[in-house]
Amino acid sequence: GQNIDQPTEMTATEGAIVQINCTYQTSGFNGLFWYQQHAGEAPTFLSYNVLDGLEEKGRFSSFLSRSKGYSYLLLKELQMKDSASYLCAVISGSARQLTFGSGTQLTVLP
Amino acid sequence: GAVVSQHPSRVICKSGTSVKIECRSLDFQATTMFWYRQFPKQSLMLMATSNEGSKATYEQGVEKDKFLINHASLTLSTLTVTSAHPEDSSFYICSARDSAGGYEQYFGPGTRLTVT
Repeated sequence: GQNIDQPTEMTATEGAIVQINCTYQTSGFNGLFWYQQHAGEAPTFLSYNVLDGLEEKGRFSSFLSRSKGYSYLLLKELQMKDSASYLCAVISGSARQLTFGSGTQLTVLP
Repeated sequence: GAVVSQHPSRVICKSGTSVKIECRSLDFQATTMFWYRQFPKQSLMLMATSNEGSKATYEQGVEKDKFLINHASLTLSTLTVTSAHPEDSSFYICSARDSAGGYEQYFGPGTRLTVT
């Protein structure tokens, strides 16, 4: 089976940096996605990592260590609009299905 | 960019009736589409994988006779919730993968189903 763990909730201050961790156990790993989801809306794509290392995209960066089954999403210069749920998802198997973690609800305070 | 639409965005139906939800890829072809269900404050749970021209693959615990999936073309998949009950009330989200390749799934905006 597959197991994906991420913290349930995090709180940070506007302008700060926050790191959301994700650990996973899976077979047939084909990559890891991070999505942002605002309440009542569909997830929006943030990043995709398949090789070890850091991928930077503007204020958001994502890191992957396949040997450790570990990823993190780094958000810099936090804005109020960054308050949302952040979903870690692993793609695996021949069907290339996405398995989602439970999501981390981030609250950005003024 | 790749766009996926869902219709309707919201639907309220009475217990015992059936509801059909459409998922369309607007600017790409999708051999494979996925249907997810999300309850409040929970993550997305995969219900089934929809393959164009063949039967859908359902996840364990999802009743295939209750959640009928049809993927008749490369741009359209439908999910029909039959004999709906209040416990079926949820946020249903579809996603589509571009037949041209890649692992990314493009998500539709979701359908909020309320069964009274």
